[in-house]
Amino acid sequence: SAVISQKPSRDICQRGTSLTIQCQVDSQVTMMFWYRQQPGQSLTLIATANQGSEATYESGFVIDKFPISRPNLTFSTLTVSNMSPEDSSIYLCSVDQRTDTQYFGPGTRLTVL
Amino acid sequence: QKEVEQNSGPLSVPEGAIASLNCTYSDRGSQSFFWYRQYSGKSPELIMSIYSNGDKEDGRFTAQLNKASQYVSLLIRDSQPSDSATYLCAVNNAGNMLTFGGGTRLMVKP
Repeated sequence: SAVISQKPSRDICQRGTSLTIQCQVDSQVTMMFWYRQQPGQSLTLIATANQGSEATYESGFVIDKFPISRPNLTFSTLTVSNMSPEDSSIYLCSVDQRTDTQYFGPGTRLTVL
Repeated sequence: QKEVEQNSGPLSVPEGAIASLNCTYSDRGSQSFFWYRQYSGKSPELIMSIYSNGDKEDGRFTAQLNKASQYVSLLIRDSQPSDSATYLCAVNNAGNMLTFGGGTRLMVKP
């Protein structure tokens, strides 16, 4: 499976600021996804990051709050904008190499004060 | 609303016993099913995938799928304290997108 890295691994931010999370894969992948895992909860899909086009967002998530870029087949970013304490979560990217199977990066633990 | 349901637990088993984790799903058209293990503070790690009715074995792990009953389970034989984690059931509905259950916390006691 692909080796996936995320930066930063954790951060503590002030409300009203924005944070951009990077996801880097060591090989080209067809699909990349961004998930949120709130404390004590399971994973919720935020969006599918599409290479060369706008991301596809799930119900309840909007581009203004979570802008996503995917400039090539190995890299994507997720920005959490105008943060509030409710955005404190673990943010995870995952990849699917056309095997119908997703593998996850190590995650970014975000705390918003 | 496509749903995946799991008992949140904790499921407590003694070391060496069989741990049985269960999952039901609502979308009858689901084709692919996955079990992930998540240790506290870590990201989910894929341990099993299953696509056809019946059993699939991999080492101490056996995944069981019954599409008629919309039920998938994971058996862990000879449970070890290192198996203590949250186990997430995930179902692929369409477009390679996964819907996750809430997870079952497993505790294996020495």
